[in-house]
Amino acid sequence: AQTVTQSQPEMSVQEAETVTLSCTYDTSESDYYLFWYKQPPSRQMILVIRQEAYKQQNATENRFSVNFQKAAKSFSLKISDSQLGDAAMYFCAYRTLYSGGGADGLTFGKGTHLIIQP
Amino acid sequence: NAGVMQNPRHLVRRRGQEARLRCSPMKGHSHVYWYRQLPEEGLKFMVYLQKENIIDESGMPKERFSAEFPKEGPSILRIQQVVRGDSAAYFCASSPGQSGNTIYFGEGSWLTVV
Repeated sequence: AQTVTQSQPEMSVQEAETVTLSCTYDTSESDYYLFWYKQPPSRQMILVIRQEAYKQQNATENRFSVNFQKAAKSFSLKISDSQLGDAAMYFCAYRTLYSGGGADGLTFGKGTHLIIQP
Repeated sequence: NAGVMQNPRHLVRRRGQEARLRCSPMKGHSHVYWYRQLPEEGLKFMVYLQKENIIDESGMPKERFSAEFPKEGPSILRIQQVVRGDSAAYFCASSPGQSGNTIYFGEGSWLTVV
């Protein structure tokens, strides 16, 4: 079974600065997908960014980018030019590539609470 | 294109009552997932359904919990004889199918058992 570990329960960053959230995972599969979801105080789960394991290029979405290290099974999220609206819980998640036989959903880490200091 | 719709958003039940949570997936999505989030924790997978079929219920408690996704209508997560420990946020998500497709979440249903 896959596991996802987020070792930082809480992170704090000054507005306009850059912050990196860590995520590691454990899997025996060679192909899979990784995601970062954001959960603001409204509690809605919002997709931030997605990475396919077979792609070497790191995914980027505006101010959000990832550092995907497949050999190290590491998938960190970098937020540049932090804004007050970025304050939220951030969850790293893993999804298997292969369908069928169950276990087709997402496996989540416990989350990192990101605080933005004005 | 409407997103994943969940209702009710908030539900209060007394111990021993039944709770029914409904989820309409995004248009074109045939795969539905239910997750539970306890306070101060991440989301835990409960069940994965396709139309009229339960594909994976490995995360569902053995008793009192059931889920369905009928041919017509929304997916239903049913909790019988609720207890205080069932108080949580229940998230529904959907995808178009095929592993690897992004899973999109609804806004969640908050169950409070008093």
